Amino acid sequence: QKEVEQDPGPLSVPEGAIVSLNCTYSNSAFQYFMWYRQYSRKGPELLMYTYSSGNKEDGRFTAQVDKSSKYISLFIRDSQPSDSATYLCAMSASDNQGGKLIFGQGTELSVKP
Amino acid sequence: GAVVSQHPSRVICKSGTSVKIECRSLDFQATTMFWYRQFPKQSLMLMATSNEGSKATYEQGVEKDKFLINHASLTLSTLTVTSAHPEDSSFYICSTLRASLYGYTFGSGTRLTVV
Repeated sequence: QKEVEQDPGPLSVPEGAIVSLNCTYSNSAFQYFMWYRQYSRKGPELLMYTYSSGNKEDGRFTAQVDKSSKYISLFIRDSQPSDSATYLCAMSASDNQGGKLIFGQGTELSVKP
Repeated sequence: GAVVSQHPSRVICKSGTSVKIECRSLDFQATTMFWYRQFPKQSLMLMATSNEGSKATYEQGVEKDKFLINHASLTLSTLTVTSAHPEDSSFYICSTLRASLYGYTFGSGTRLTVV
C-alpha cells in the first residue's frame, strides 16, 4: 500500500466549476500537508500548506485536512483554464529542515473554456 | 521564495553514455539539495539528498554508483546518470529547502531520453 494515494484522473471540468481534489494517506505521523501545482514539463510550485487538521483559504483555493480520516482536500472555486495542470499533494511527519516529503501521484486537471 | 535553476531542460543521449544535470540555487546558499525522479503520470520519488561538502544520502533502491551526486559548492549540485539505459528515461527534478518545510523550491526539471 502506498503511503499516499491520489486519483490520477484526468479530471475535466467546465470553466467556473468548483473542483475537488483529494488524497488519502496511511501514516498517522504525517502532520504537515501541502498542495503543489505542476504545469507540463515544469517543476512543482507550492500552492497551499496546512498543519494538522483544519481548513485554510487563499483566494480561490481552500485546503482541508481531516486527520481522523487521514484525508486531505483541495478545492478550487471559479476554476479557470489557467488552472489546468497536475496537482500533487505532499506530506511530512517533520518540519525539521530536510523533512522528507512524500508525494501523491498527482491529479491531472483540465478546465475547459 | 528561493530561485532554483536546472539545466539542461531536456537531453537525449545514447545508451551507455553519461549525462550530467546541474541544479543551481541562485539567491541563497543551499547546504542541502534534493534530487527527485518522476515517471509519466507518477509521483515524484526522492532519489537522494545532496549535502554540500559531504557524500549524498541515497534512498533505498537507488544505485549510488549509477546516479552520481556532487555538491561541491553551496550553490551547485550535479546529478550524473552514468551508463544510461532506456529505463533511465525520466523527468529529473532538483529542489532546495529554505528555512522551513514549506520552503521547498523546485527546479524546472530535466527530461532525459535515452535512445
